[in-house]
Amino acid sequence: DAKTTQPPSMDCAEGRAANLPCNHSTISGNEYVYWYRQIHSQGPQYIIHGLKNNETNEMASLIITEDRKSSTLILPHATLRDTAVYYCIVTGNQFYFGTGTSLTVIP
Amino acid sequence: ETGVTQTPRHLVMGMTNKKSLKCEQHLGHNAMYWYKQSAKKPLELMFVYNFKEQTENNSVPSRFSPECPNSSHLFLHLHTLQPEDSALYLCASSQDLPRGGFFYGYTFGSGTRLTVV
Repeated sequence: DAKTTQPPSMDCAEGRAANLPCNHSTISGNEYVYWYRQIHSQGPQYIIHGLKNNETNEMASLIITEDRKSSTLILPHATLRDTAVYYCIVTGNQFYFGTGTSLTVIP
Repeated sequence: ETGVTQTPRHLVMGMTNKKSLKCEQHLGHNAMYWYKQSAKKPLELMFVYNFKEQTENNSVPSRFSPECPNSSHLFLHLHTLQPEDSALYLCASSQDLPRGGFFYGYTFGSGTRLTVV
């Protein structure tokens, strides 16, 4: 199963775009990239997923590099409610959440 | 409301007590999971059920006993727990199991905050 690497923490000013990076250099051709987030003491919540094309939904955008070895989750206008731990996951035989990136949105 | 309901939301129990956590989903999913999340630690997968059959037990101590009577309900029976078992216990469901490739993803409940005293 492909592993992912994320920075442990990031800050973002309220109203600005939050760009959360993820490295997945061992990703296989049929493996998808998923992003979830976990607000304190709640269950993780699905955000977005993609294979190789960039994706956008009402919550975020996902940019996947052409070689698929890394991706970036973009929250276009971060709010205080976006403060959470963000997990980048690559599908395999296990859906491994790892330690994620703790994003703090600052007023 | 995610479609996965966990009860109770909070539970305090003594080390000699027996209690059960309940998880219910009406999403039509076939797989259900128990995860443990201790403070400042990643989610730890405990048990996996697919079509009511246990497919994974990640070396979980026998004081945790899962039960899956049907695809919509999952229980975690607790007996003689230790203070280090205090954690957030999360239930999740998915349409199928992850096998690489496309996966429909998990839907999580809000969790049960367990404190063992």
